[in-house]
Amino acid sequence: QVQLEQSGAELKKPGASVRVSCKASGYSFNDFYLHWVRQAPGQGLEYLGWINPNTGDTGFPQKFRGRVTMTRDTSIKTVYLELSRLRYDDSATYYCARDRQTVEIIPAALLDSWGQGSQVTVSS
Amino acid sequence: SYVLTQPPSVSVAPGQTATLPCGGDNIGRKSVHWYQHKPGQAPVLAVYNDNDRHSGIPDRFSGSNSGNTAILTISRVEAGDEADYYCQVWDRDSDPPYVFGTGTKVTVL
Repeated sequence: QVQLEQSGAELKKPGASVRVSCKASGYSFNDFYLHWVRQAPGQGLEYLGWINPNTGDTGFPQKFRGRVTMTRDTSIKTVYLELSRLRYDDSATYYCARDRQTVEIIPAALLDSWGQGSQVTVSS
Repeated sequence: SYVLTQPPSVSVAPGQTATLPCGGDNIGRKSVHWYQHKPGQAPVLAVYNDNDRHSGIPDRFSGSNSGNTAILTISRVEAGDEADYYCQVWDRDSDPPYVFGTGTKVTVL
């Protein structure tokens, strides 16, 4: 079955960077987009962006451009989210999720499988 | 930017029906997806494309979408249905184009 295994909790200082990983198994890694979503304490879901594991193409909201980098390592079926210049309000649980849509057409963000989440805490 | 509005909370007694609205401008013209999110767990896709149930989701969950409101209906509510529920759509003119609703917390009395 589809599984997405994420890296563990991180504690970072303001201004630092954090990298979260998401290892996929149980399906053809190159064939489905992967997305990142976060949830800050007491808040709703916030969309961060997507990556095409086959090509490495990415897309993310204007809000995060310049701070977010998404990469992948196809040899180990893992995608990475890096967020730089961390702020206190970046403290959240970060989720990767698989798109039900295959990479032949544009991402749909119909998220049918999710990782367990990675908690990132920004504190001085 | 496209906005999806959900009531913050809904309370329902076990065995009764919970009706969760998701409001958006002409949302009936879009495909709506619903996610169930329990505390400390990953979100789960519950219903997609307005009214298709994801694998493993009981048939007590159903969706509809028309006009300016999409609705997730949970029939014969159980204690295990207590969770936050988010609607989501794709809107080409929004950034990001993948828009989540504000979420509704379902409390089972």
